[in-house]
Amino acid sequence: GENVEQHPSTLSVQEGDSAVIKCTYSDSASNYFPWYKQELGKGPQLIIDIRSNVGEKKDQRIAVTLNKTAKHFSLHITETQPEDSAVYFCAHTGGSYIPTFGRGTSLIVHP
Amino acid sequence: DTGVSQDPRHKITKRGQNVTFRCDPISEHNRLYWYRQTLGQGPEFLTYFQNEAQLEKSRLLSDRFSAERPKGSFSTLEIQRTEQGDSAMYLCASSPQGQGADTQYFGPGTRLTVL
Repeated sequence: GENVEQHPSTLSVQEGDSAVIKCTYSDSASNYFPWYKQELGKGPQLIIDIRSNVGEKKDQRIAVTLNKTAKHFSLHITETQPEDSAVYFCAHTGGSYIPTFGRGTSLIVHP
Repeated sequence: DTGVSQDPRHKITKRGQNVTFRCDPISEHNRLYWYRQTLGQGPEFLTYFQNEAQLEKSRLLSDRFSAERPKGSFSTLEIQRTEQGDSAMYLCASSPQGQGADTQYFGPGTRLTVL
């Protein structure tokens, strides 16, 4: 599948700060961009997604932005809380329904 | 709980043994996926089913791996003659048909350790 670059690999913030994770992809046919949160010992959990006909989507403290021209999309978490600490994965999917995942970002929120 | 379930959650085996994992998808989800995840990596696609038909397999799925979904409901993933390199988390996911078919819901995974 097509690669996706995810940065940073580790992100450490203070409680209340914002966190931003960015992913860059190369497949121009990609049209679905989900973000997953994975806690230790658990499977990935979908937290937000965006489709290629939308530039931004927000759900409470979480937002995702998509720039199809530049082929990158970002996850924004505002007012971070210690329970936001986890590994976050971006992914993208084209017509095959088989997603390609980034390598993950370990977010640490310090109380 | 109507989410994706996997069994067992943990499996420790000796090199050369066969292991089998089970996945029960969300009821009425017709697509079922298997992934492998190693430490510090995202999930890597292995194979997927639409109903009982296995539609695609990754190059990662060597001939020691086989997956089935005989009745289009639960699925099994078998690894024969396990090797230490097979140690990983094996994840199952399911998705519905039609709108939202690209949205996948993951199970808790089966962690395999090959000694």
